[in-house]
Amino acid sequence: QKEVEQDPGPLSVPEGAIVSLNCTYSNSAFQYFMWYRQYSRKGPELLMYTYSSGNKEDGRFTAQVDKSSKYISLFIRDSQPSDSATYLCAMNEGSYQGAQKLVFGQGTRLTINP
Amino acid sequence: ETGVTQTPRHLVMGMTNKKSLKCEQHLGHNAMYWYKQSAKKPLELMFVYSLEERVENNSVPSRFSPECPNSSHLFLHLHTLQPEDSALYLCASSQEKQRISPLHFGNGTRLTVT
Repeated sequence: QKEVEQDPGPLSVPEGAIVSLNCTYSNSAFQYFMWYRQYSRKGPELLMYTYSSGNKEDGRFTAQVDKSSKYISLFIRDSQPSDSATYLCAMNEGSYQGAQKLVFGQGTRLTINP
Repeated sequence: ETGVTQTPRHLVMGMTNKKSLKCEQHLGHNAMYWYKQSAKKPLELMFVYSLEERVENNSVPSRFSPECPNSSHLFLHLHTLQPEDSALYLCASSQEKQRISPLHFGNGTRLTVT
């Protein structure tokens, strides 16, 4: 079983739709959950991060974590063509020691059609 | 120059060649990483250099050899590669000793082995 599972898509929706992207994980020690966005021919960039369970909102984006189900989601409201990218979930246990050892999902390719 | 810079952006090499990938970060971070990104697979951590540790993924073949002369520069030396090594190689940096420190990625080197 993979440590982090993410549906690779591709996912194609019309402009203005609400998009839901999801990941499941198996390691109950994970505490920090991140979403990275990767445009074509670019490196991933951090979009949002959350700690433990709950919701976090940033503009049109909402990140949700359900630790009891080991399930995280990213919602995009009023989706725009500029949101077309690959979205990667990532997570780790969080530690003051050592470097960040994130575990990534394989990414979901999203296209927003005008 | 800001962020994380990788050169070259594209590299085509034969199986008998020797080449090096270069990464430079201008963020004042103290940890640097090499990741491999292949189609439909999660980002694979290859190497980490930080203040406290040098981490190698034991599954990375010895034909990949990292070098980190200081906290701002990271190299990946390549020799006698195989066609299956063709992928996007991403460099990232972060700040160690912080509970949560997002990874900042470069735009990658697209490697093709012929």
